Amino acid sequence: GAGVSQSPSNKVTEKGKDVELRCDPISGHTALYWYRQSLGQGLEFLIYFQGNSAPDKSGLPSDRFSAERTGGSVSTLTIQRTQQEDSAVYLCASSLVPALYQETQYFGPGTRLLVL
Amino acid sequence: AQTVTQSQPEMSVQEAETVTLSCTYDTSESDYYLFWYKQPPSRQMILVIRQEAYKQQNATENRFSVNFQKAAKSFSLKISDSQLGDAAMYFCAYRSSVSGQLTFGSGTQLTVLP
Repeated sequence: GAGVSQSPSNKVTEKGKDVELRCDPISGHTALYWYRQSLGQGLEFLIYFQGNSAPDKSGLPSDRFSAERTGGSVSTLTIQRTQQEDSAVYLCASSLVPALYQETQYFGPGTRLLVL
Repeated sequence: AQTVTQSQPEMSVQEAETVTLSCTYDTSESDYYLFWYKQPPSRQMILVIRQEAYKQQNATENRFSVNFQKAAKSFSLKISDSQLGDAAMYFCAYRSSVSGQLTFGSGTQLTVLP
């Protein structure tokens, strides 16, 4: 596709349920990032995938959060036993060559998660 | 750890006028990249402009330019000839030469008045 795509666009769930958020990066981009944007706040880094290397999980807020990237392309962010404080917009970004830190990250439209 | 501070939660500008959004950051690194992203109501983060820390020359992209003061750790964005389509949330971001992720400020909501 032409850009980063994410699904679903919006997700409403009940507290305690698990949710899966999907990100499809730009074709050929080897780096993929997940960020969280809480209401009225800036973006908070969650996790970073670089090619076939072990992901940088340093931003995950708790062990309820996990992510995987299959085949070096599509990524899924899973939140188990959701809590109301997990309500936020989850943004995915990809970049072409992660080793070059000047590479621009291109963002998807995000998934707005609401936990009731 | 790096931090990015945007001290103006909201700004407004008259159409066709110029506005400057401020950003300061804290880092012990000498080499890094700085970015301004725009986020309209659609939520799509759009890159506006970027600056390499090792370059003294300020980056410019059409009506958008930055004032990069490395010693002061300041990175302001100037929007000239403001247009209604410039209305959005603007985020300043820092990227280390070591780690891949961006560190964002809290954003400045820009309103353009007709």
